[in-house]
Amino acid sequence: DIQMTQSPSSLSASVGDIVTITCRASQGISNSLAWYQQKPGKAPKVLLFGASRLQSGVPSRFSGSGSGTDYTLTISSLQPEDFASYYCQQYYSPLPTFGQGTKVEIK
Amino acid sequence: QVTLRESGPAVVKPTQTLTLTCTFSGFSLSVTGMCVTWIRQPPGKALEWLARIDWDDDKYYSTSLRTRLTISKDTSKNQVVLTVTNMDPVDTATYYCARLQYGGNSGWFDPWGQGTLVTVSS
Repeated sequence: DIQMTQSPSSLSASVGDIVTITCRASQGISNSLAWYQQKPGKAPKVLLFGASRLQSGVPSRFSGSGSGTDYTLTISSLQPEDFASYYCQQYYSPLPTFGQGTKVEIK
Repeated sequence: QVTLRESGPAVVKPTQTLTLTCTFSGFSLSVTGMCVTWIRQPPGKALEWLARIDWDDDKYYSTSLRTRLTISKDTSKNQVVLTVTNMDPVDTATYYCARLQYGGNSGWFDPWGQGTLVTVSS
């Protein structure tokens, strides 16, 4: 199985900050990567797929980049509603796998 | 509008078999390219993909759980069923079903059901 290593596991940030979360795959995944946001008690929602393609309705302050094994989710100006957990997921393999998650907390 | 909803027991005893049903609307699993998947999340922990079933009845299972999982579909009822045998307290989790959006060998998950919490306890 492809292992996804996500970092950091948690971070504290202030409204307006730029936040960066990284995900590293154990092998190349050819941009077959999605990012999800999950709020407490709720199901995850997809933010981006194809590493950098924004899901309809997702604010443009969310962006994704990367290639090969290394990928990044960036929130350009953190908003109060962005405090949540974030997960990456590879779908290069028929058996998809998730990163361990990053909890974004208020500083 | 695509919606999915999970149903099943809230509590199961150790060694029992868990049966969960995903009832969906807004699409048909008889249409080429449609796939439904199950994912779980233990309290406070990460998401774990479990299984997938495709429109043509192809099935895929988590490597670590494949001996305990069975996924099936009833196209006429718009339902997908997941069974997990030999339940253990470590299987306590919120179980989600989701539609898979094809992206090659697999895909991303959208939308998701609201999830159902299953607790394994004697």
